[in-house]
Amino acid sequence: GNSVTQMEGPVTLSEEAFLTINCTYTATGYPSLFWYVQYPGEGLQLLLKATKADDKGSNKGFEATYRKETTSFHLEKGSVQVSDSAVYFCALIPPGAGSYQLTFGKGTKLSVIP
Amino acid sequence: DGGITQSPKYLFRKEGQNVTLSCEQNLNHDAMYWYRQDPGQGLRLIYYSQIVNDFQKGDIAEGYSVSREKKESFPLTVTSAQKNPTAFYLCASSMLEGYTFGSGTRLTVV
Repeated sequence: GNSVTQMEGPVTLSEEAFLTINCTYTATGYPSLFWYVQYPGEGLQLLLKATKADDKGSNKGFEATYRKETTSFHLEKGSVQVSDSAVYFCALIPPGAGSYQLTFGKGTKLSVIP
Repeated sequence: DGGITQSPKYLFRKEGQNVTLSCEQNLNHDAMYWYRQDPGQGLRLIYYSQIVNDFQKGDIAEGYSVSREKKESFPLTVTSAQKNPTAFYLCASSMLEGYTFGSGTRLTVV
């Protein structure tokens, strides 16, 4: 079946530090890949996405590259801010089948301290 | 502005009572979903609906029920059969791969 594995948190970084949150997936074919962010007490917001191999998604200084050879979609940011403190979810939608059902990782909580 | 509205934001119920969580969208999305979120568990799918008057069980449907009488509305009932209902519940809708999430309802059973 389809699954997403992301690094366990929590992750605590100082402001302006480099961020990497690892995400690997299991799926048949070429799924679409997503990173969602959840700020405290809120729902999820789409952060970025990539729909085919070697695509790079980017938004608000965050980036992730779709690596088919390593089945990975790691999230990176060069310099984190306190306002980036949130829970980050990696997710996929499998190809075909006519259903666009998201499969989520368990989430990684990021805390950025001044 | 289009979006998803979940109400109420906080809900307290006594053990053994059924409770219904509201989810309304004005995005004209065909598909709607209910997820349950627990600390360290990520999001788990309870039910989803791809068209009006049709819905399917997700991974953890036991103790829950839904209806989809209108395209805009997908209410979730947490029944007394749900053993551990205290959680954060998220509703979402989608058109193809574009998902929109509500801001959630935190249910506490006392």
